[in-house]
Amino acid sequence: AQTVTQSQPEMSVQEAETVTLSCTYDTSENNYYLFWYKQPPSRQMILVIRQEAYKQQNATENRFSVNFQKAAKSFSLKISDSQLGDTAMYFCAFAGGNAGGTSYGKLTFGQGTILTVHP
Amino acid sequence: DAGVTQSPTHLIKTRGQQVTLRCSPKSGHDTVSWYQQALGQGPQFIFQYYEEEERQRGNFPDRFSGHQFPNYSSELNVNALLLGDSALYLCASSLDYRGEQYFGPGTRLTVT
Repeated sequence: AQTVTQSQPEMSVQEAETVTLSCTYDTSENNYYLFWYKQPPSRQMILVIRQEAYKQQNATENRFSVNFQKAAKSFSLKISDSQLGDTAMYFCAFAGGNAGGTSYGKLTFGQGTILTVHP
Repeated sequence: DAGVTQSPTHLIKTRGQQVTLRCSPKSGHDTVSWYQQALGQGPQFIFQYYEEEERQRGNFPDRFSGHQFPNYSSELNVNALLLGDSALYLCASSLDYRGEQYFGPGTRLTVT
């Protein structure tokens, strides 16, 4: 079974600064996908960024980027130029392959990190 | 373009009762997944419906059951409610079972 661990229950950062959220995972699969989701206080879960395990290049999406270390099974999220609207719970998630190929089907989430951006 | 919608928003039930939650997928999506999110925790996968059949199931008892209709909307049913079933129930839709999942706003279930 896959597990996803986020060791930082809470983080805080000043507006315009950079913050990094950590995530480690455990799997025996070789083909999988990793995601960072954002859940603001309004509750709607939003996909921030995703990484395919077979791609060596780290994914970037505007101010969001990841540091994917496959051998170390580490997947951190860096938020640059933090904005007040980035305040939310952030979840790292894993979707692994199954018999028949890689599937997004079942997402396994970490415990989440509450990020607060201060003005 | 309507996103994923869920109803009701909030629900209060008594222990032992049964509840039905509803989800309408994003336009063009044919797969629905359900997750349970306890307060302060990450979501946990309940099951996924594709082509009106349960395709995958997480570690949840048979009290949790579901259905998918021909228009791809879905229901989650929970029988014999326990206090521990109190949670936010999230629905996510995708274009087939391999697709990126888009989440709805959730239904907050409180069991008293």
